[in-house]
Amino acid sequence: DAKTTQPNSMESNEEEPVHLPCNHSTISGTDYIHWYRQLPSQGPEYVIHGLTSNVNNRMASLAIAEDRKSSTLILHRATLRDAAVYYCILTSGTYKYIFGTGTRLKVLA
Amino acid sequence: NAGVTQTPKFRVLKTGQSMTLLCAQDMNHEYMYWYRQDPGMGLRLIHYSVGEGTTAKGEVPDGYNVSRLKKQNFLLGLESAAPSQTSVYFCASSHLGTLGQPQHFGDGTRLSIL
Repeated sequence: DAKTTQPNSMESNEEEPVHLPCNHSTISGTDYIHWYRQLPSQGPEYVIHGLTSNVNNRMASLAIAEDRKSSTLILHRATLRDAAVYYCILTSGTYKYIFGTGTRLKVLA
Repeated sequence: NAGVTQTPKFRVLKTGQSMTLLCAQDMNHEYMYWYRQDPGMGLRLIHYSVGEGTTAKGEVPDGYNVSRLKKQNFLLGLESAAPSQTSVYFCASSHLGTLGQPQHFGDGTRLSIL
């Protein structure tokens, strides 16, 4: 199964954009890139996913490198409610997710 | 729309006791999953089901059993609880299990084994 590498933690100021990186150098051609976030004492929450093209939704944007070996989750204006652990996950040929330890985002008021 | 509901939310067991965790989803999803999450770690897949009457092992299946008698329910059983099974358990469901479909998670069951 393809693995992902994320920084352990990041900080951002409130109302500023946040760029959360993810490296996945062993990604295969059919792997989707999913992003989830987990708020304290809650289950993971779907954020966004993509295959090759950049994607936008009401929560965030996903920028995928042309070689697909890395991606970036973009929160356009961080709020205190965005403080969470963000997971970058590849669906490597199955529907079974492999969770890493994610990036803990701290948002400063 | 409740989504994925887990019962109970908290439980304390003694070593050797048995219990069943219930997961119910109202989205008519075919696929369901049980994960565990230990402190400071990501989720690990215990068992999953691709449809009513089917189950399969995930990454950490030992010490657990599952059943999917009805499409909307997925049960996780601990026959003889051990302290190593102290964890937060999450259930999830997804539609058809295709690569692009997101999983929907419940809020978890916090289980302590003394």
